[in-house]
Amino acid sequence: GNSVTQMEGPVTLSEEAFLTINCTYTATGYPSLFWYVQYPGEGLQLLLKATKADDKGSNKGFEATYRKETTSFHLEKGSVQVSDSAVYFCALSDNTGGFKTIFGAGTRLFVKA
Amino acid sequence: EPEVTQTPSHQVTQMGQEVILRCVPISNHLYFYWYRQILGQKVEFLVSFYNNEISEKSEIFDDQFSVERPDGSNFTLKIRSTKLEDSAMYFCASSEEVLGGDFPLHFGNGTRLTVT
Repeated sequence: GNSVTQMEGPVTLSEEAFLTINCTYTATGYPSLFWYVQYPGEGLQLLLKATKADDKGSNKGFEATYRKETTSFHLEKGSVQVSDSAVYFCALSDNTGGFKTIFGAGTRLFVKA
Repeated sequence: EPEVTQTPSHQVTQMGQEVILRCVPISNHLYFYWYRQILGQKVEFLVSFYNNEISEKSEIFDDQFSVERPDGSNFTLKIRSTKLEDSAMYFCASSEEVLGGDFPLHFGNGTRLTVT
């Protein structure tokens, strides 16, 4: 079945550091890939998405490229801010039936001033 | 910006009792979902719902669980006889028309269910 694996956290960075959170997936068919972010006490929010191979999703300085050859969708940001501290979830969904989105385990990011 | 609203924000119940978690999805969305998250861990799929019927459900969603859209705005999750292991944060989500696999989810802020 489909699955998502992302790097374990927590990740602790200083402000303005470069961020990478790794995500790989296993899927049949042609999934869409997503990054969601969860701030304390809130639900998940869509951060960015990519729907086909080589697409790059971007939002708020974050980027991720859909790499079919390596089945990866790594999240990157060139310069993190304290306000980026949150839990980041990689996810995939497909149209093989049921409208189901599968999430990775989440990676907690702490950014220090 | 339209949002998904969930009530209550926190529900405490005794083992064996029935609970109903309520959600109001975004008004023009057609697809509805329940997920749960235990102690800040992985977000687990429970069920998806479209056109007044369940589209898919997970192994977690056994006979103790049911969903309903009783009117044009509410979407509910019922647990008939709660167990200690049902304690979790339950998130409702909705999405617009599904195109292929591209259906970003809009989540509510969750209901924290505590079973004692």
